[in-house]
Amino acid sequence: EPEVTQTPSHQVTQMGQEVILRCVPISNHLYFYWYRQILGQKVEFLVSFYNNEISEKSEIFDDQFSVERPDGSNFTLKIRSTKLEDSAMYFCASRRPRSGYGYTFGSGTRLTVV
Amino acid sequence: GIQVEQSPPDLILQEGANSTLRCNFSDSVNNLQWFHQNPWGQLINLFYIPSGTKQNGRLSATTVATERYSLLYISSSQTTDSGVYFCAVVSNFGNEKLTFGTGTRLTIIP
Repeated sequence: EPEVTQTPSHQVTQMGQEVILRCVPISNHLYFYWYRQILGQKVEFLVSFYNNEISEKSEIFDDQFSVERPDGSNFTLKIRSTKLEDSAMYFCASRRPRSGYGYTFGSGTRLTVV
Repeated sequence: GIQVEQSPPDLILQEGANSTLRCNFSDSVNNLQWFHQNPWGQLINLFYIPSGTKQNGRLSATTVATERYSLLYISSSQTTDSGVYFCAVVSNFGNEKLTFGTGTRLTIIP
């Protein structure tokens, strides 16, 4: 079964540093998403991306966040200047262009900001 | 936005017991999925079930869209079933984002 692949699985970074989280969505999917989950809390929507542009973003997705699909296969989330409160599990998801199909999630990147 | 509530928040059962997890949502939906988050934090898709009933081994799910709830049944629980179960929906009103419930933490005791 096709998978959404995320790298790295774990990342530790110092406060103020930039991080890039990488995702390879399923090849025939056209809608891409980033979600995050702070430890012990529910999974929260960050941003959706379609046709090479952001289609919706949450209040969490402020100016320090950006997304990009640089080469037609990778989908990246960049955090420009990390804060302690950015420590969380970040999930990438994708789905097919037609309705009637669910979202497929990657296995996540656990980001720890120290 | 749409509200998604899950109950119970915590459930502790002996191995071999059956359980029912509930998900209530506040608006009509065109997508509903159940996920199991394992101890490593991965979200495992269990069911895509915006309406009707599906079964997969010891797990089954039913969504009654007109009454805005879904149920996840786990029979003959095993210790590997432990983890957090999330319901997530896409509202018919608004953009295509998946909204997660707060989850049910299931602990199966040997």
